[in-house]
Amino acid sequence: AQRVTQPEKLLSVFKGAPVELKCNYSYSGSPELFWYVQYSRQRLQLLLRHISRESIKGFTADLNKGETSFHLKKPFAQEEDSAMYYCALYNQGGKLIFGQGTELSVKP
Amino acid sequence: NAGVTQTPKFQVLKTGQSMTLQCAQDMNHEYMSWYRQDPGMGLRLIHYSVGAGITDQGEVPNGYNVSRSTTEDFPLRLLSAAPSQTSVYFCASSRRKFSMGPGGFGNTIYFGEGSWLTVV
Repeated sequence: AQRVTQPEKLLSVFKGAPVELKCNYSYSGSPELFWYVQYSRQRLQLLLRHISRESIKGFTADLNKGETSFHLKKPFAQEEDSAMYYCALYNQGGKLIFGQGTELSVKP
Repeated sequence: NAGVTQTPKFQVLKTGQSMTLQCAQDMNHEYMSWYRQDPGMGLRLIHYSVGAGITDQGEVPNGYNVSRSTTEDFPLRLLSAAPSQTSVYFCASSRRKFSMGPGGFGNTIYFGEGSWLTVV
């Protein structure tokens, strides 16, 4: 079964601290993985996709096929990074499957 | 270029009422889909479409109907609203083979702004 798991509902860090939001997936084929961010009551925005290795706002994520993980990282968190983050897997059938989401709270 | 447009943004319904959430995109995308977002559950796929005239069920299709008579529009119908359908609904669209093409943020999935639905 195709599944995306984000084990942390809430992650709270102080400004300037490193951040890692965990994402694990299960998929039999070659995964197409994404991270989306949602600021309060706004639409989801693409943060990065593994296939292009692009990112915005200083976030990176590396696909680890051995561990079936796609963790999101940022070396120094900023207060404006506070948001809901979703890991998602796209299958070739046209479905984008989301994890449960992790709320990141960056304290001053 | 408006992207993905959803209406209405907010709606309150009484149990048993019917309504349609509208979704339109102007990017000539083949794929369109509807998700609902609930606390602690992430986004769950309701229905999706891979092209005009073709629809299929997602994870949580019960209580919802869709149709895709044109490439641009993908309305979501609630035939008899229930309190369990109180949620935030997002429409999304993408090109069919976006993952096969070159990278870049233009080659990806676009979301609407969301529709907040409350069923009382």
